[in-house]
This record gives sequence, C-alpha cells and structure tokens, in this order.
Amino acid sequence: RKEVEQDPGPFNVPEGATVAFNCTYSNSASQSFFWYRQDCRKEPKLLMSVYSSGNEDGRFTAQLNRASQYISLLIRDSKLSDSATYLCVVRSGGFKTIFGAGTRLFVKA
Amino acid sequence: DVKVTQSSRYLVKRTGEKVFLECVQDMDHENMFWYRQDPGLGLRLIYFSYDVKMKEKGDIPEGYSVSREKKERFSLILESASTNQTSMYLCASITSGAYTDTQYFGPGTRLTVL
Repeated sequence: RKEVEQDPGPFNVPEGATVAFNCTYSNSASQSFFWYRQDCRKEPKLLMSVYSSGNEDGRFTAQLNRASQYISLLIRDSKLSDSATYLCVVRSGGFKTIFGAGTRLFVKA
Repeated sequence: DVKVTQSSRYLVKRTGEKVFLECVQDMDHENMFWYRQDPGLGLRLIYFSYDVKMKEKGDIPEGYSVSREKKERFSLILESASTNQTSMYLCASITSGAYTDTQYFGPGTRLTVL
C-alpha cells in the first residue's frame, strides 16, 4: 500500500462546477499536510497548507480528517485555469515528505 | 520570492555517460533536496542535504551521488547514466524544516538517457 494515495483521475468538469479530491495517508504520526498544484511540464507549487480546523482560500477549501487519515480539497466555481495536477503532500518527522502521485483535473469551457 | 534554479531544462545523454545536474537557491536555505518524478509514481526522494558537505540518502539513492560544497548549490551526479534514469529531476529547498515549512521547487530538468 502506498503511503499517500490519490485517485489519479482525470476529473473532467465544466466551468463553474464544484469538484472535490480526496487523499488518504497511512502514517498516523503524520504532522503536516499540503496541497500542491503542478501544471504540465512545470514544477509543483504550493497551493495551500491543510490545518486541523480546515481552511479556505478563495474558491479552495482544504479539510483534514485525522481519525480517518485523509485530506480533501474542494474547488468551487472551477475555472479553465484550474486545469492542472493536484498533489497531496504529507510530512511526518523531520524531512520525511511523501508526495502523492497526483490527481489530474481538466476544466472544460 | 524564493528562487530555485536548475542548470538545464532538457538534457539528452547516452548510456554510460557521467551526468551533472546543478541546483542553486538564493534564499540561504539550509536544506536542499533532489527528487525524481515519474508518471504514476509521484515524487521520490533521491538525496537531501541539511548543511554544506552533509548529505543523507533518500528512498532511491542507487546510481546517484550528490555534492554540496556551498550552501546555495546542490549537485546531483549520475555516475554512469542508464536508460532507467530517464525522468524529470526536481530540486527543492526549505528553510528550517519545521513542520509547517514548505518546499520550493526548481523548474525541473527533463533528462533522457539513450
């Protein structure tokens, strides 16, 4: 079993739709959680950190469920520019950072 | 803004060649990393360095070595390139390594070994 698992997709949604991704992690000692965005042939960039209480940044909402060991990302009112791969990132002790393989999102006009 | 640069965006080498990939960061970060990214596998850590001349193996160090002679520069070396090392290589840096800190990535080097 992979330490961090994501549905690879692709998710194909129309503009304006709401889409949600989940990510599960296996290490219950994991300390911090992030969502990164990666455009085609580009480097990953931080989208948002995920806090225990959940957090929102504009159209993006991230949630953490420690009991079930998953994090989620909700995108409301999808834009064409949201098309990308979304990486779930989990950090446990020290520098041990595990990246999910990513979920691909295509937003169509 | 943190800036992480890598020496090449695209590189084509032949089997058996020695390959150097360089990474430079301008934010005085202590910690630097080399990952490779392959479809369906995500990013996998090759090596990291927490200080000048210090290095630690990651999850897949075989066939690679690293060098960190200066704080801002972290080099990845493929001693004898093989076709299974064809991949996207990403360098990253981070400041103190506190749990909330995030990694900043360079633009990546897409290496093809023929």
